[in-house]
Amino acid sequence: GAGVSQSPSNKVTEKGKDVELRCDPISGHTALYWYRQSLGQGLEFLIYFQGNSAPDKSGLPSDRFSAERTGGSVSTLTIQRTQQEDSAVYLCASSSERGNEQFFGPGTRLTVL
Amino acid sequence: GNSVTQMEGPVTLSEEAFLTINCTYTATGYPSLFWYVQYPGEGLQLLLKATKADDKGSNKGFEATYRKETTSFHLEKGSVQVSDSAVYFCALSDTGANSKLTFGKGITLSVRP
Repeated sequence: GAGVSQSPSNKVTEKGKDVELRCDPISGHTALYWYRQSLGQGLEFLIYFQGNSAPDKSGLPSDRFSAERTGGSVSTLTIQRTQQEDSAVYLCASSSERGNEQFFGPGTRLTVL
Repeated sequence: GNSVTQMEGPVTLSEEAFLTINCTYTATGYPSLFWYVQYPGEGLQLLLKATKADDKGSNKGFEATYRKETTSFHLEKGSVQVSDSAVYFCALSDTGANSKLTFGKGITLSVRP
């Protein structure tokens, strides 16, 4: 079946603009995760959804970052007033209710000019 | 908190050489341990995992054994191929399903023909 998909694959924006990144998890997967991969920080956890609720938001770096998930499926990560340090690859992963294996999407490369 | 430490890279080997990539961790309780691989231009893929002490994960000729006494999960392969060139990440998650991953910084492996 289809894997995790993310859009857009690349996003270039100007400092101060808002961006929205989308994740479509594997059908039937109840858990959804956002991570960020950057040269300086490696792979960092951002937020975890179980269904539509987010029991763990501990990795969000500032209040400019938010995420939502609707219908227990698609998730959107929003970054407001982007800064150059937000430039990174944003990865989404999903897992089944019983599994601890996370399946990753191809990522969205965000470049803030 | 949880943390994962990987050996410094990059690593360059000749084809058919023996590979060891060191990984140690700090965690409370009994985490699950993972090796993820990122091939050039591709997304993160699970390579192997182990969920309890003394378990050995294996896949594609790679192996890693969960050593609780040394808090290690070193990755080994007896004979590397050019196609193994990739970035390798060691990771852990807390006990139970649907827990966020904590990653090491990753190490780039290049295999020469």
